[in-house]
Amino acid sequence: DIQMTQSPSTLSASVGDRVTITCRASQNIITWLAWYQQKPGKAPKLLIYKASSLGSGVPSRFSGSGSGTEFTLTISSLQPDDFATYYCQQYHTFSPLTFGGGTKVEIK
Amino acid sequence: QLQLQESGPGLVKPSETLSLTCTVSGASISRSSYFWGWVRQPPGKGLEWIASIYYSGGTYYNPSLKSRVTISVDTSENQFSLQLRYVTAADTAVYYCARHPDGGHYYFDYWGQGTLVTVSS
Repeated sequence: DIQMTQSPSTLSASVGDRVTITCRASQNIITWLAWYQQKPGKAPKLLIYKASSLGSGVPSRFSGSGSGTEFTLTISSLQPDDFATYYCQQYHTFSPLTFGGGTKVEIK
Repeated sequence: QLQLQESGPGLVKPSETLSLTCTVSGASISRSSYFWGWVRQPPGKGLEWIASIYYSGGTYYNPSLKSRVTISVDTSENQFSLQLRYVTAADTAVYYCARHPDGGHYYFDYWGQGTLVTVSS
């Protein structure tokens, strides 16, 4: 299995801050990586696919970068609606698809 | 607008079979070239992919669950389903159905709202 490791697991930040979350893959996944945002009691929402492509309707303050084994999700200016948990997912291989452990973005 | 809706029992007894159905509206499963899948999330924990199926019936399973899982599609009802056999308390989770976009990209672009299944006697 390809292991996905996110850091940090929890992040405290203020509105307006620039926030960066890292996701590392245990092997080369090229750019087959997605990012999701999940709020309590809700389904995950796609933010980024293919490492850096913005999902439909996703604000431009979200961006993704990286290739190979190291990836980042950046929120350029944190908004009140952005306090949530973020997950990465590799889709280089179906066997199996795997998610990172999540990063909770909290209000500082 | 594509919508997915999970349905099924919220409580299942240990050793029994968990059965869930995802009803798709706003698009026809049989007229599309998408994969459809199931993901679960134990309370307070992360996401785990369970299985995915192509509209024509091709399947992929998480090896960790493969021996207990069957995913199937019913194009006449525009639904796909999940069966998880011999459940234990560790299978208690919110179960989501979701769609993979076309073009062979296996992330999830549309999700159902999720349904909580509790395994308990």
